[in-house]
Amino acid sequence: AQKVTQAQTEISVVEKEDVTLDCVYETRDTTYYLFWYKQPPSGELVFLIRRNSFDEQNEISGRYSWNFQKSTSSFNFTITASQVVDSAVYFCALSEAPGGYQKVTFGTGTKLQVIP
Amino acid sequence: ETGVTQSPTHLIKTRGQQVTLRCSSQSGHNTVSWYQQALGQGPQFIFQYYREEENGRGNFPPRFSGLQFPNYSSELNVNALELDDSALYLCASSLNSGRTIYFGEGSWLTVV
Repeated sequence: AQKVTQAQTEISVVEKEDVTLDCVYETRDTTYYLFWYKQPPSGELVFLIRRNSFDEQNEISGRYSWNFQKSTSSFNFTITASQVVDSAVYFCALSEAPGGYQKVTFGTGTKLQVIP
Repeated sequence: ETGVTQSPTHLIKTRGQQVTLRCSSQSGHNTVSWYQQALGQGPQFIFQYYREEENGRGNFPPRFSGLQFPNYSSELNVNALELDDSALYLCASSLNSGRTIYFGEGSWLTVV
């Protein structure tokens, strides 16, 4: 069974601070995908990144960066120089393809509050 | 803006009633999935439709059912509503399985 754990329920930082959101996953599959989504109060889940299990290269996109470590089953997300607009709930998710369909398992989310 | 649109955005139903939620997928996307998100929780997979057939289902009872139409739009139907069905229902679309899924803004359902 697949599982995603986001141990940090809520984080508060002051604007311009760096913040890292942790994600640990469990899966028996060798082929899987990892995602991060952002959910503002409006409810829509905004796609941030998708990483497949064969690509452990870290990625940077502007102020966002992701650290994927298979050895520790972690896929952490860092926001550099945080801004108030970064305030949202962030979800880490894991996707397998049992029987050909795609089931995405989400963590419980980390609520990030950036204080001006 | 993901191109996935859902309706209605908010609705209130009474316990025991039935509800239909609608979703238009992103242009060209042939796979639609539905998720239920209770307050303070992560989304939970309900089921997925590919080319008008349900090809995967999560741990939800049969009173949760769906349809996908030839234009790939979709409906989620819930019968015999219970108070615990109160949640945000999210529709997501993708091009084939295994690709990135894009979510709509969801339908907030309150059962009283």
